[in-house]
Amino acid sequence: AQSVSQHNHHVILSEAASLELGCNYSYGGTVNLFWYVQYPGQHLQLLLKYFSGDPLVKGIKGFEAEFIKSKFSFNLRKPSVQWSDTAEYFCAVNRAAGNKLTFGGGTRVLVKP
Amino acid sequence: NAGVMQNPRHLVRRRGQEARLRCSPMKGHSHVYWYRQLPEEGLKFMVYLQKENIIDESGMPKERFSAEFPKEGPSILRIQQVVRGDSAAYFCASSLENTEAFFGQGTRLTVV
Repeated sequence: AQSVSQHNHHVILSEAASLELGCNYSYGGTVNLFWYVQYPGQHLQLLLKYFSGDPLVKGIKGFEAEFIKSKFSFNLRKPSVQWSDTAEYFCAVNRAAGNKLTFGGGTRVLVKP
Repeated sequence: NAGVMQNPRHLVRRRGQEARLRCSPMKGHSHVYWYRQLPEEGLKFMVYLQKENIIDESGMPKERFSAEFPKEGPSILRIQQVVRGDSAAYFCASSLENTEAFFGQGTRLTVV
């Protein structure tokens, strides 16, 4: 069975700091990779996705993620965070041939103004 | 183009009652998924449905929980004889074949 682990449960940053959230998955086959964000009181929104091609993926709101196949990782980065990036971030994986998403436990990010 | 619509947003049930959660997928989407988010935990897959068919229910508890996605109308997640441990946020998502899933705003179930 596939699993997804996010290394940090809580991250506290100041505005303009750089952010990197780790995500590792365990599955030997081809996968699709996603990062979702959940702002307080809202639904999950897709930040970015990787299906194939360039392993450096650019998403919305200045986020990017890099797929490193040899490390089974898909880390999320943003060079300079804003207070509005305060949210919970979820990494998710599904198999290329299926649609069920397996989520990591989430990372709560608090950006202090 | 309306997104995934879930209702109700908040549902309070007494122990032993039934809870019915509804999900209308995005227009044109025939794949529906239900996830449960317990307090302080990530989302856990429950069930994956296509029209009139359950494709994968490996995440559904064996008892009291059922789901359907009829030919007409929304998908329904039904929880019979609710217990306090069922209190959670239940999210529905929909997609096309092998594309990203779009999530609804969730139904927060509180069992008192």
